[in-house]
Amino acid sequence: DQQVKQNSPSLSVQEGRISILNCDYTNSMFDYFLWYKKYPAEGPTFLISISSIKDKNEDGRFTVFLNKSAKHLSLHIVPSQPGDSAVYFCAAYSQGGSEKLVFGKGTKLTVNP
Amino acid sequence: EADIYQTPRYLVIGTGKKITLECSQTMGHDKMYWYQQDPGMELHLIHYSYGVNSTEKGDLSSESTVSRIRTEHFPLTLESARPSHTSQYLCASSESGRNGYTFGSGTRLTVV
Repeated sequence: DQQVKQNSPSLSVQEGRISILNCDYTNSMFDYFLWYKKYPAEGPTFLISISSIKDKNEDGRFTVFLNKSAKHLSLHIVPSQPGDSAVYFCAAYSQGGSEKLVFGKGTKLTVNP
Repeated sequence: EADIYQTPRYLVIGTGKKITLECSQTMGHDKMYWYQQDPGMELHLIHYSYGVNSTEKGDLSSESTVSRIRTEHFPLTLESARPSHTSQYLCASSESGRNGYTFGSGTRLTVV
């Protein structure tokens, strides 16, 4: 059973608009969440993270929101740029569990000029 | 400057050949991981290690094997490559899952 779900395989937005990527999780023991960005033929790179004690974390154009009661987090990119076109992975971590991150299946974002 | 290195970046090899994909990190991380990613995007964990002489199989069954003789080095070996092994292989390391993983640039393997 998948513990971290990214239900949208793809998302297409216009340059300058907002991109919203969603992620749901089922394990209430997760206490840390991360977003990774991946270009084709490259490894994923860390983008932004959030602790479960917060509901928002912002870094430049990127903001992650966490709704613990709904077990939902989202990544907002404002404004979106063509260079943001990539696959975005949501990942979750439980301090009391395995040391492994649990990844979602990814969402492919395309930002059109 | 990359702290985790994967070689080669691209490899095209014939069926039946033995190959070793190299992964080295300079961060002193105890934990290292190998993922396989097909064009369908999902990252599949195939092997991981929490320290020297410790290796475990991941969530996706793989015919590959790994070794961890030194902290910084985590090579992956395929004894007899097959076209079904064609994929991108990603190596990662971490101090703790909470700190996230640092990924290498990956090896794109094509078996013909």
